[in-house]
Amino acid sequence: NAGVMQNPRHLVRRRGQEARLRCSPMKGHSHVYWYRQLPEEGLKFMVYLQKENIIDESGMPKERFSAEFPKEGPSILRIQQVVRGDSAAYFCASSPLPGPPEQYFGPGTRLTVT
Amino acid sequence: KQEVTQIPAALSVPEGENLVLNCSFTDSAIYNLQWFRQDPGKGLTSLLLIQSSQREQTSGRLNASLDKSSGRSTLYIAASQPGDSATYLCAATFPMDSSYKLIFGSGTRLLVRP
Repeated sequence: NAGVMQNPRHLVRRRGQEARLRCSPMKGHSHVYWYRQLPEEGLKFMVYLQKENIIDESGMPKERFSAEFPKEGPSILRIQQVVRGDSAAYFCASSPLPGPPEQYFGPGTRLTVT
Repeated sequence: KQEVTQIPAALSVPEGENLVLNCSFTDSAIYNLQWFRQDPGKGLTSLLLIQSSQREQTSGRLNASLDKSSGRSTLYIAASQPGDSATYLCAATFPMDSSYKLIFGSGTRLLVRP
């Protein structure tokens, strides 16, 4: 059973470009969480999705950031018009159910904005 | 507001020493608490998960305890080795939060000197 997969692992974008980060949850998992880790900081929750639904986006910046988890395919975190402050590691975690089970983390995507 | 705090931010010990990492949380109505290890530039490795009904969990040289009444968890590492050098993160979920997102501490950076 493959773990949580994220791609790309490293992404470099110039200011103003768009960044698309992909997350494939573990097989059988229908709940996906995205977290962001800014340099020298802890991880902060961004958004929680189930298939075709955004359940909690209380940690998402109000502008330029969006997320989806379609019926088929990976979850996508999209950042439009990136700025240097978006440079961070973005982690995805999946769970078979909300709550008690552990969240299983992917290796992360390291975004660098030049 | 639910917060998770880790002290100390950094710790350096000689090889072979037993050590304790501390994690505190502001809401005693915790659902579960998870300890992770993160190596530089890498993803998160789950070490131990303690449910709210449990007092401790053990895995090899690691032992994690949970005291809800005092709002504290500790990670005990026995006979530390240089390979234990990493950042250790604790994260909690709270039942009042229907999304069960993880609230992370800022981590303790551990260096075990040979």
